[in-house]
Amino acid sequence: QVELQESGPGLVKPSQTLSLTCTVSGGSISSGSYYWSWIRQSAGKGLEWIGHIDTSGSTNYNPSLKSRVTISVDTSKNQFSLKLTSVTAPDTAVYFCARDSNNWSSYYFDLWGRGTLVTVSS
Amino acid sequence: DIQMTQSPSSLSASVGDRVTITCRASQSISYYLNWYQQTPGRAPKLLIYAASTLQSGVPSRFSGSGSGTDFTLTISSLQPEDFATYYCQQRYAIPPYTFGQGTKVEIK
Repeated sequence: QVELQESGPGLVKPSQTLSLTCTVSGGSISSGSYYWSWIRQSAGKGLEWIGHIDTSGSTNYNPSLKSRVTISVDTSKNQFSLKLTSVTAPDTAVYFCARDSNNWSSYYFDLWGRGTLVTVSS
Repeated sequence: DIQMTQSPSSLSASVGDRVTITCRASQSISYYLNWYQQTPGRAPKLLIYAASTLQSGVPSRFSGSGSGTDFTLTISSLQPEDFATYYCQQRYAIPPYTFGQGTKVEIK
């Protein structure tokens, strides 16, 4: 079955760029009409949707993070990625990648990676 | 942004109890409401989408109802594996897609 796995540094210095990749295994990222999302969870803000991308490269971002976020997709590698610039301590969180599926007009996150903890600290 | 407010924030219950969790949206979201279950150290798991549609593989003791601004998740007979934190999430129209703050179900 399809699985998602996040990868990337667990420690990022303040003001630097957080970069994570989500690898999709057990199926093609291009099959079906899905969005591919990044979601984070911190003690302070709970679950926060960061943004998503489809395999044509069309993106939507959370307005609160939009100025700092870029999500990209590499269909040849079956991966999508997150870049968050100018990080500060409040960006410390567990970062999840997730599949954003739909049934008629309803959308939901039906498949999640295990999550990866990213700590922002010098 | 659409704000999602869950109540209660936590509750204590016993195995076999009927449990009800409420989620209220700050504006109407029709039926575009999803429920997730999360246990410590794990990713959230989809339970219900479109307010009342049970995700494949989820036990039938879970049910959801509501539309507009008020929604409910019910567990008809609480099982040991149901002790977890539950989140609602709205998926209405324009981003951002926001989550409730969570309801922690603990053992009494």
